Amino acid sequence: GAGVSQSPSNKVTEKGKDVELRCDPISGHTALYWYRQSLGQGLEFLIYFQGNSAPDKSGLPSDRFSAERTGGSVSTLTIQRTQQEDSAVYLCASSLGTVGNEQFFGPGTRLTVL
Amino acid sequence: QKEVEQNSGPLSVPEGAIASLNCTYSDRGSQSFFWYRQYSGKSPELIMFIYSNGDKEDGRFTAQLNKASQYVSLLIRDSQPSDSATYLCAVSNAGGTSYGKLTFGQGTILTVHP
Repeated sequence: GAGVSQSPSNKVTEKGKDVELRCDPISGHTALYWYRQSLGQGLEFLIYFQGNSAPDKSGLPSDRFSAERTGGSVSTLTIQRTQQEDSAVYLCASSLGTVGNEQFFGPGTRLTVL
Repeated sequence: QKEVEQNSGPLSVPEGAIASLNCTYSDRGSQSFFWYRQYSGKSPELIMFIYSNGDKEDGRFTAQLNKASQYVSLLIRDSQPSDSATYLCAVSNAGGTSYGKLTFGQGTILTVHP
């Protein structure tokens, strides 16, 4: 079946602009995660959603970052007033959870803030 | 001390040899352990997961877990040039049917030379 999809694949923006990144999880997966990967920082957790529970926002680096998940499926990560240090690859993952916490990643969105 | 530590490498092995990748973690509450492979410019791909102490084999890959020593490893037998990639160790304190974030190590770069 289809894997996790993300859009856009690349986004170039100017400092101070807002951006929205989209994630479509694997059909039937109830948990959705956002991570980012930047040079020298490795892969870091941002936020995750599971069913109707309150999201775990503990990894969001500042209040400029927010995310929502509508209808238990598609998620949007929004970064307001982007800064150059926000440049990274933003990765979305989803998991089913019935046999463990295996997470499957999408192709990512490469964000460049000029 | 980082939560999940890996040797950054690069680890270079000849084709056909066994590659041994190691990972230590600091949180004794960790329950789930994952190995991801990441090719340059691509997103992480799940190759192995392990929850119980001991060995778990899947084809040419063997994951080993020792919770007392807080140590998890990945062995790749009969290494091929196509195994050349960055290998990411990830840890979660979620297990069974629960959900939770993954904490990643910095990754080990593996090069398999013909």
